[in-house]
Amino acid sequence: DAKTTQPPSMDCAEGRAANLPCNHSTISGNEYVYWYRQIHSQGPQYIIHGLKNNETNEMASLIITEDRKSSTLILPHATLRDTAVYYCIVIQGAQKLVFGQGTRLTINP
Amino acid sequence: NAGVTQTPKFRVLKTGQSMTLLCAQDMNHEYMYWYRQDPGMGLRLIHYSVGEGTTAKGEVPDGYNVSRLKKQNFLLGLESAAPSQTSVYFCASSRGPASRYIAKNIQYFGAGTRLSVL
Repeated sequence: DAKTTQPPSMDCAEGRAANLPCNHSTISGNEYVYWYRQIHSQGPQYIIHGLKNNETNEMASLIITEDRKSSTLILPHATLRDTAVYYCIVIQGAQKLVFGQGTRLTINP
Repeated sequence: NAGVTQTPKFRVLKTGQSMTLLCAQDMNHEYMYWYRQDPGMGLRLIHYSVGEGTTAKGEVPDGYNVSRLKKQNFLLGLESAAPSQTSVYFCASSRGPASRYIAKNIQYFGAGTRLSVL
């Protein structure tokens, strides 16, 4: 099963784009990349997912490299409310999401 | 539409006491999950259920029991609480399995239950 590597922390200025990287070099051809985030003291929240193509929704954009070994989550105009821990997850097994340490993103005013 | 509701939100137990955490979802989801989260760590799966009347062990099942008597409810029980079970517990539900090949089987999480065992 593919594992993911993320930087432990990042900072971003309010109003700027936040780019969160994730390495998943052992991902297999049909495994999806999911992103969740967890705002302090709340349950995790789904953000976006993708397979091969870039994806965009109302919350974020997901850029997946052509070899699928890494991806970047983009929050185009970060706000203070985007301060959270962001988890990049490659689906492992039939029934479980495996949450690693994630990236603690701090949006600064 | 409430989504996933967990009760209680907070609880303090003494070692050896028992309690049940309740998770309810109103999205008609087949799959439900219990996770625990300890300081500085990611979520770890305790037990999960793929449908009414079925349960299965996750990554850290010891010391916990679960039941899924109704589709909308998933109960997590601690028969004899230990300090090591002090944690934040999250329940989640999804339409189907978090499978490699099925897209958009998103898990929706509750707000969590903070449990302290003294």
